[in-house]
Amino acid sequence: DTGVSQNPRHKITKRGQNVTFRCDPISEHNRLYWYRQTLGQGPEFLTYFQNEAQLEKSRLLSDRFSAERPKGSFSTLEIQRTEQGDSAMYLCASSLVSGMTGELFFGEGSRLTVL
Amino acid sequence: AQTVTQSQPEMSVQEAETVTLSCTYDTSESDYYLFWYKQPPSRQMILVIRQEAYKQQNATENRFSVNFQKAAKSFSLKISDSQLGDAAMYFCACRRTGTASKLTFGTGTRLQVTL
Repeated sequence: DTGVSQNPRHKITKRGQNVTFRCDPISEHNRLYWYRQTLGQGPEFLTYFQNEAQLEKSRLLSDRFSAERPKGSFSTLEIQRTEQGDSAMYLCASSLVSGMTGELFFGEGSRLTVL
Repeated sequence: AQTVTQSQPEMSVQEAETVTLSCTYDTSESDYYLFWYKQPPSRQMILVIRQEAYKQQNATENRFSVNFQKAAKSFSLKISDSQLGDAAMYFCACRRTGTASKLTFGTGTRLQVTL
């Protein structure tokens, strides 16, 4: 499968615990994005990387959230001290910098439920 | 910054009929892309159709076409000959060209296709 891969697909955790999600983008894509989607809403931008550099972070990304892309390939999104309001689908997408079409390719998402 | 508004939370269409999903947007950019993405239940988001703002001609992709009214900042999606597989959430999105490449999404329209 050469698409965007996200793991785990589902995570149930208790409030206060830390969780980490992983995203493996399409191999030749140098841009990687994280979005959050709550029920009945469109995806909201969290952050994006070009290679290993984190170029932009949304105000939605509180200090409990951290994202990394250490070698410019896969990325992790960690949420510390989870709160019930963190329950959402976390979407990863990738694209090419040189791609003039601007298309993002999405993974299937990681659903987080905080009890 | 961009904002995208989808005023139809739900739409319904009979199989083989035509349906139009509405989208308006606001941006201060002169050069940007507009997109319609489809999100089937529990599946990844996929691109349906894309429009470059500098192009006057409306984009078409098989049964999908757009009505792009730049002055009115309107970008509607027409689905012809609707099929059961078209049932999904549809998101309108906007992205400016250049290095700041995040997508801004609307809240989505859920499309039901009935027999």
